[in-house]
Amino acid sequence: GDSVTQMEGPVTLSEEAFLTINCTYTATGYPSLFWYVQYPGEGLQLLLKATKADDKGSNKGFEATYRKETTSFHLEKGSVQVSDSAVYFCALSDRSTNAGKSTFGDGTTLTVKP
Amino acid sequence: NAGVTQTPKFRILKIGQSMTLQCTQDMNHNYMYWYRQDPGMGLKLIYYSVGAGITDKGEVPNGYNVSRSTTEDFPLRLELAAPSQTSVYFCASIVSPRTDTQYFGPGTRLTVL
Repeated sequence: GDSVTQMEGPVTLSEEAFLTINCTYTATGYPSLFWYVQYPGEGLQLLLKATKADDKGSNKGFEATYRKETTSFHLEKGSVQVSDSAVYFCALSDRSTNAGKSTFGDGTTLTVKP
Repeated sequence: NAGVTQTPKFRILKIGQSMTLQCTQDMNHNYMYWYRQDPGMGLKLIYYSVGAGITDKGEVPNGYNVSRSTTEDFPLRLELAAPSQTSVYFCASIVSPRTDTQYFGPGTRLTVL
């Protein structure tokens, strides 16, 4: 079945540092790929997505590129802020199932210190 | 547009008690999902529904039941609560598999003692 593997956390960075969170996936079909963010006490919300190979998703300074050859979707940000502290989840959705189900990674906790 | 709403926000149950977690969405989404999130873990799919009257099991359905009598509501029922069901429960919905993006509720934190 489908699976998503994220780099283990937690990750602690100083403000303005460069961020990379690795994500690789296994899927039998042609999935869409997502990064969701969860702030303390809240539900997950979409950060960015990509629907086909070589697409780049971007939002709020975060970027991720759909790499089919390496089955990866790594999240990057050039300069993190304290407000970026949250849990980040990589996910995929296999549209071929017709049920819209998503598979999530275990999440990576990011703490940014001033 | 309230999006996806869940009640209650918090609940403590005793072993063997029953309860229903409520989930409502006002976006006219056909597809709805229930997940549980254990500490340090990702989301595990419990049940899902592709429309009113249609439900199916996800990855971890044991100990839970669902119903979907309307497009808006998708309640999750715990019949005999067990400590292993201590978790945070999230409801989510999507417009269609083509658009993929899941919209999540704020979650229900359940503790079973």
